[in-house]
Amino acid sequence: KNEVEQSPQNLTAQEGEFITINCSYSVGISALHWLQQHPGGGIVSLFMLSSGKKKHGRLIATINIQEKHSSLHITASHPRDSAVYICAVGFGNQFYFGTGTSLTVIP
Amino acid sequence: DSGVTQTPKHLITATGQRVTLRCSPRSGDLSVYWYQQSLDQGLQFLIQYYNGEERAKGNILERFSAQQFPDLHSELNLSSLELGDSALYFCASSGQGGGDTEAFFGQGTRLTVV
Repeated sequence: KNEVEQSPQNLTAQEGEFITINCSYSVGISALHWLQQHPGGGIVSLFMLSSGKKKHGRLIATINIQEKHSSLHITASHPRDSAVYICAVGFGNQFYFGTGTSLTVIP
Repeated sequence: DSGVTQTPKHLITATGQRVTLRCSPRSGDLSVYWYQQSLDQGLQFLIQYYNGEERAKGNILERFSAQQFPDLHSELNLSSLELGDSALYFCASSGQGGGDTEAFFGQGTRLTVV
């Protein structure tokens, strides 16, 4: 059983499109994290959320605690956004990870 | 640059061998996490240390062990290596630890077991 489910698994978009990646989780959490992993393998933390909404540049993350759901939005997508986006939930002292969404943005 | 340093970046070794992966956390961070990312499993939490003490354990095999030293750097020891241990191993650090603190990731060590 996977505590964190992401959708879609793969996503291809044209440059400029609005993109949404979804994450649902089944455990009570202390926080939800969105991570970005580029083809080189390095992981960058994008957001940490425990409620509401956060915005950083063209990236927006929202969370609905009651529905146990979070979304990551990318506005005006660009080829440099191509990466794997991973949702992770913090539960106690542990993190549980989704399997990732592989995003490809075509010029 | 996250401030978390992992060495080596790449490691190729034979089955049955033992290797040590090293992680230096961000300055001031007390908590270190280790994760394994294999092609078929995604990211898996292995173990967390906080200020030298083991705090949480995930899916870590008995052949694997870790420790955090007084200077807060951490080492992950993998022994009796099998082909299936080939993966990216990430270290992350955070200030206090816990699922509600932001974690900063190293660039990973790519381990290939042949």
